[in-house]
Amino acid sequence: TQLLEQSPQFLSIQEGENLTVYCNSSSVFSSLQWYRQEPGEGPVLLVTVVTGGEVKKLKRLTFQFGDARKDSSLHITAAQPGDTGLYLCAGVNYGGSQGNLIFGKGTKLSVKP
Amino acid sequence: KAGVTQTPRYLIKTRGQQVTLSCSPISGHRSVSWYQQTPGQGLQFLFEYFSETQRNKGNFPGRFSGRQFSNSRSEMNVSTLELGDSALYLCASSLTGATGNTIYFGEGSWLTVV
Repeated sequence: TQLLEQSPQFLSIQEGENLTVYCNSSSVFSSLQWYRQEPGEGPVLLVTVVTGGEVKKLKRLTFQFGDARKDSSLHITAAQPGDTGLYLCAGVNYGGSQGNLIFGKGTKLSVKP
Repeated sequence: KAGVTQTPRYLIKTRGQQVTLSCSPISGHRSVSWYQQTPGQGLQFLFEYFSETQRNKGNFPGRFSGRQFSNSRSEMNVSTLELGDSALYLCASSLTGATGNTIYFGEGSWLTVV
């Protein structure tokens, strides 16, 4: 069974701090996605990384896909209260559909003003 | 454009009953997937439908079933409900499910089994 382990599970920081969330697996994925979910809503796709070693930036968020395509990280610079939410990573199997995603259990981020 | 619409948003059922949840994907999307989200297990894949055919199925008992109609709308059904079925059920749609497609989730249906 493929698993995606996310760490930390919970993170509470002050506005302006930097943070990194990790997503690790023993399995290789063809691509990996990051989502943010707010209470009462469905997850919203932030980014898809496809190439081993790939780095993508979305404003203050930096996403990296490991060289071996087994892990990924999300780094947030100067966190703001609007970044609060549940961050989920999800992997896509080789030859599989994006309709069948394997999710980590998420990192619950709270950014205090 | 309209997003993924799930109905009902909230429902309470009794153990042993059955429930049907509905999902209307974004217009033009043919891939529809269902996920169960619980605090303990996180998001777990239930099944994916593409052009009215089940393309993938997760590791859930046969009490969980689904279908997709010719207009891509999808329903999932849970029979003989158990307390452990209480969860947020999420539907997601994309054009075809291929790499590169953007996946959109609905707001979910909150099911409570008492």
